[in-house]
Amino acid sequence: DTEVTQTPKHLVMGMTNKKSLKCEQHMGHRAMYWYKQKAKKPPELMFVYSYEKLSINESVPSRFSPECPNSSLLNLHLHALQPEDSALYLCASSQRPRTGYSPLHFGNGTRLTVT
Amino acid sequence: AQTVTQSQPEMSVQEAETVTLSCTYDTSENNYYLFWYKQPPSRQMILVIRQEAYKQQNATENRFSVNFQKAAKSFSLKISDSQLGDTAMYFCAFMSPDNTDKLIFGTGTRLQVFP
Repeated sequence: DTEVTQTPKHLVMGMTNKKSLKCEQHMGHRAMYWYKQKAKKPPELMFVYSYEKLSINESVPSRFSPECPNSSLLNLHLHALQPEDSALYLCASSQRPRTGYSPLHFGNGTRLTVT
Repeated sequence: AQTVTQSQPEMSVQEAETVTLSCTYDTSENNYYLFWYKQPPSRQMILVIRQEAYKQQNATENRFSVNFQKAAKSFSLKISDSQLGDTAMYFCAFMSPDNTDKLIFGTGTRLQVFP
C-alpha cells in the first residue's frame, strides 16, 4: 500500500476545463513534489514545496498552478491545458530536515488525458 | 550538470536467474546519493536500494545489491533469484547532498522476467 495517496487515478479533461489533482501523505514529511512522466520516459520534476513554501519551480507553464494548503496536502490546479500535457502526474514526499539522504516516497500517480 | 545514463533500454531474464542492470553517471561532486527505483505497471515508483557515495561498502537489500564503483562513476543493480514480480521499469537516480531536492533520473531499463 502506498503511503502517498493521489486522486483521481484517471482524469480526462478538455482544453477549456479547470481541474485539480490532489496528493496526501501522513508520514510527517515536510517536502512534497510534483513530477510529470510521459510514456516510456523518466519522471521530470515540476515543483518542490519545502515546509509548505514553494522552493523549486522548474519553469513550468502557468497553466499548472501548485498549492500546498498544509503539511499533508499538495494540490495541482490545471487550467487551459494542451493535449501535450497528457501524462502521468506523480506526487512524492520526503523528510525535512534532511539529514543525509532522504529518499522520495511516491504515490501511484494520476493519469491525465487532455482532449 | 549531473547526468545519469542507462544504456540498456530493455532486459530479460528467466525466473530464478540473476540479472544486472547498468547505470553510469557524471558529476564533479565528491559526495552524493544514488538510488534505484522500480516502477511496475501499477505506476508507483518504489525505492529498491540506495547508496551514499562516501560509503565504500556496496548496499544490499535482500535479493537486490549494487556494485558501486565511484572512480568509474558506475552504479549497477544486481537482482538475484529473479521473480515474476520483478518485472518493471527500473530507474537509476542521482541526488546531490545540497538542498536542491532534485532527483535526476536515468532513462530507465525495462526488465521482463520470464517463467
